[in-house]
Amino acid sequence: KAGVTQTPRYLIKTRGQQVTLSCSPISGHRSVSWYQQTPGQGLQFLFEYFSETQRNKGNFPGRFSGRQFSNSRSEMNVSTLELGDSALYLCASSLLGDRGHTGELFFGEGSRLTVL
Amino acid sequence: AQRVTQPEKLLSVFKGAPVELKCNYSYSGSPELFWYVQYSRQRLQLLLRHISRESIKGFTADLNKGETSFHLKKPFAQEEDSAMYYCAPPFNKFYFGSGTKLNVKP
Repeated sequence: KAGVTQTPRYLIKTRGQQVTLSCSPISGHRSVSWYQQTPGQGLQFLFEYFSETQRNKGNFPGRFSGRQFSNSRSEMNVSTLELGDSALYLCASSLLGDRGHTGELFFGEGSRLTVL
Repeated sequence: AQRVTQPEKLLSVFKGAPVELKCNYSYSGSPELFWYVQYSRQRLQLLLRHISRESIKGFTADLNKGETSFHLKKPFAQEEDSAMYYCAPPFNKFYFGSGTKLNVKP
């Protein structure tokens, strides 16, 4: 079974630009969550999608948005990039079903974004 | 709010020494917690979950409801254990602890 796939793996942008990152979950997984990982802040939750609906949202500004398609693939977008957005962006998929169900998260390798 | 806390950002031990990575949680009920690990240049992956009560790579984690803790322990650290470790709650499972970087010195 293929793992979680994230594209692109690396990208460089300049301030003010926008970026779109893609995540393909493990087949059969309907929950996709996104995280920002930085050395100083650790692993911070951005949002989670389930069946094309945003079900949970972290504490990030509105410049960070996402969506999920009917095949469970997900994208996240960051508009008006700032230097502080430089980070490794991880997505994870899960068999998470009903709210409260506990399930293992399977992570992708991440998309490393550098903002100049 | 339901959350977990990892008080140590960095933990350095010598090879062969015991290691304990701390995780405290702050919610009631019967929590089910996870430990995730990220080795250098590898993806974040599940190390163990407390309900399975299994030992992975020599690590164990016992849920202590009295102390509201779920510390990760290993009696004899190995250099290959050097990694970033995250504690995660199941409910609000997306809100990981801040992580502890374990450095095992030769």
